[in-house]
Amino acid sequence: ETAVFQTPNYHVTQVGNEVSFNCKQTLGHDTMYWYKQDSKKLLKIMFSYNNKQLIVNETVPRRFSPQSSDKAHLNLRIKSVEPEDSAVYLCASSRGNSGNTLYFGEGSRLIVV
Amino acid sequence: GDSVTQTEGLVTLTEGLPVMLNCTYQSTYSPFLFWYVQHLNEAPKLLLKSFTDNKRPEHQGFHATLHKSSSSFHLQKSSAQLSDSALYYCALSEGSSALGRLHFGAGTQLIVIP
Repeated sequence: ETAVFQTPNYHVTQVGNEVSFNCKQTLGHDTMYWYKQDSKKLLKIMFSYNNKQLIVNETVPRRFSPQSSDKAHLNLRIKSVEPEDSAVYLCASSRGNSGNTLYFGEGSRLIVV
Repeated sequence: GDSVTQTEGLVTLTEGLPVMLNCTYQSTYSPFLFWYVQHLNEAPKLLLKSFTDNKRPEHQGFHATLHKSSSSFHLQKSSAQLSDSALYYCALSEGSSALGRLHFGAGTQLIVIP
C-alpha cells in the first residue's frame, strides 16, 4: 500500500516557470529524500532531510530548493525550470540509519517545453 | 567514492529460464547492499537487502548473496515469470553515518517473454 504521497503526478510547463512538487509520508519516518529519475532511468539523489535539517545536498543547480514544514512533509521547488529538468522526481522516506529501507512515492513527472 | 555497476542495461528472457542480474560495487566502508524493483508506472520498492557476508536473503523467489571478496551482490531467480518484467536497481548504502542515502546503479530492464 502507498505510504508516500506525491502531488501532482504530472506537470507540463514552459521554460522559466516556477514549479513545486509536494510530498507527504505517513510512516513516521524521520528522514525524507528527493531523487531525480532521468530519461535513461538513472536515479540520482538530490536532497535528504532529517528532522527538518538538510543533511545531504548533492551538486544540484541552485534553482532547486527543498522545503519542509515538519518531518512528514518535504516539498521541492524549482524556481525557473529549464529543459534538462524534464524528469520524474521521486520522493522517499526512511528511518534515518544506514541500512534501512527507502519507501518511494510514485513520482511526479515534469515536462518542460 | 562509492559506486555501483550494473553491466546489463537490458535482459530479455523466456519464461521459465533462470534469471541472473549482475551487480558489483566499490565502497570505502562496509556497505549495505539492496535490490529495488520498479514496475511500469509504479514506485521503486525494496526487493531484498543484505549486509552480512555470505548471508542469502530471499524474497518472491529472488535471492542474492553479498560477497565482499568480489564486491558483488548478483540477483538470481531459478525460473523467470512474466510478472518479473520490470526495472531492477542495485543500490549501496554507506556503512558509515550516511543516514540511509543510497547510491543506485544504472538499472537493468528485465523483459520476460512467453
